Amino acid sequence: EAGVTQSPTHLIKTRGQQATLRCSPISGHTSVYWYQQALGLGLQFLLWYDEGEERNRGNFPPRFSGRQFPNYSSELNVNALELEDSALYLCASIRVSDTQYFGPGTRLTVL
Amino acid sequence: GESVGLHLPTLSVQEGDNSIINCAYSNSASDYFIWYKQESGKGPQFIIDIRSNMDKRQGQRVTVLLNKTVKHLSLQIAATQPGDSAVYFCAENRSYQKVTFGIGTKLQVIP
Repeated sequence: EAGVTQSPTHLIKTRGQQATLRCSPISGHTSVYWYQQALGLGLQFLLWYDEGEERNRGNFPPRFSGRQFPNYSSELNVNALELEDSALYLCASIRVSDTQYFGPGTRLTVL
Repeated sequence: GESVGLHLPTLSVQEGDNSIINCAYSNSASDYFIWYKQESGKGPQFIIDIRSNMDKRQGQRVTVLLNKTVKHLSLQIAATQPGDSAVYFCAENRSYQKVTFGIGTKLQVIP
């Protein structure tokens, strides 16, 4: 069974630009979670999508947004990038259990 | 506030010895706990989980202990190997919509 996949692996942007990160969940999983992992910090919850709807979001500004497509894949968009947005962005998917399975992450660097 | 934290940020053990990684949580309503392993440059990988109606659960070379009285969780790794070197996170789950992660403990295995 293929795991959660994310693309791109690395992304380099400059301040003020927009970044788009993509995630494909495990087949059969309908929920997708996005997390930010900044250096030296724990995973910070960003967004939760289920069945195409945004169900919850963490304490992040509105310039962090996303969506979930009919095939349950998801996109995270970060507008007006700031230096402190540099982090590893992780996507996780879940089906009916409580266990989240993570992708390898996208390393976003903002210069 | 509610939090999940780890007692030791870094743990160094000799190859072959047993490792114990500790975690404290503050929300007594939490009913599900997960341990993840994160190797450098990769996403967190599920290791083992335990529900609040259990005190102990064993996997392959790993054991999770839950002490609800003092709100403490531990991960024991038997016969630690170099491949066990990673950051280990505990996670607290109050419902499958919300998971809180600790910062993590870095396990260094000394050959």
